Amino acid sequence: EAQVTQNPRYLITVTGKKLTVTCSQNMNHEYMSWYRQDPGLGLRQIYYSMNVEVTDKGDVPEGYKVSRKEKRNFPLILESPSPNQTSLYFCASSSRAGGADYGYTFGSGTRLTVV
Amino acid sequence: QKEVEQDPGPLSVPEGAIVSLNCTYSNSAFQYFMWYRQYSRKGPELLMYTYSSGNKEDGRFTAQVDKSSKYISLFIRDSQPSDSATYLCAFSGGYNKLIFGAGTRLAVHP
Repeated sequence: EAQVTQNPRYLITVTGKKLTVTCSQNMNHEYMSWYRQDPGLGLRQIYYSMNVEVTDKGDVPEGYKVSRKEKRNFPLILESPSPNQTSLYFCASSSRAGGADYGYTFGSGTRLTVV
Repeated sequence: QKEVEQDPGPLSVPEGAIVSLNCTYSNSAFQYFMWYRQYSRKGPELLMYTYSSGNKEDGRFTAQVDKSSKYISLFIRDSQPSDSATYLCAFSGGYNKLIFGAGTRLAVHP
């Protein structure tokens, strides 16, 4: 089954403790993105990647890091999480830039709480 | 002015009603117009996609784009309880950025 898999689904952590949210897709997509979803603000792009070793900042990159060492994986790293990073995070992948033609395929989300 | 405006609702309608969901946008560079549906505790899934002004129909769903007015709509005919979800409009300029509306929550009651 074609899918984007994120782990973990739920995570509660303390301020300053480094964490990684993993994302993997099995569709051989070049394009991958991370979004955060907050009430009233919708989905905002954090980082995106056009292919292996090619990444760039989205609208809200502060406090996040990403890497793309393999085509299928695109982990999101929070080096020193803070409470304002409490949010619902989605990883997404697409075969075309900007999700053209086929849209983005989204994972099921990771609900992160930073206390 | 926000780049995308979408009424958050919630919208509550009886089963069988016609539903109209709308978004306005300000960026003339947007070329692709999409609607995503998001069920509770799930990721968004692509519902409709178009890149030109006019109407596009898929079953009970019709996407309408008016580029001159910078306005897009999604119509749902014969709405069902299974249509209860949050509907997100999304826009792309063909690059890597996909801009989403805040989403409209829809409840269809039997």
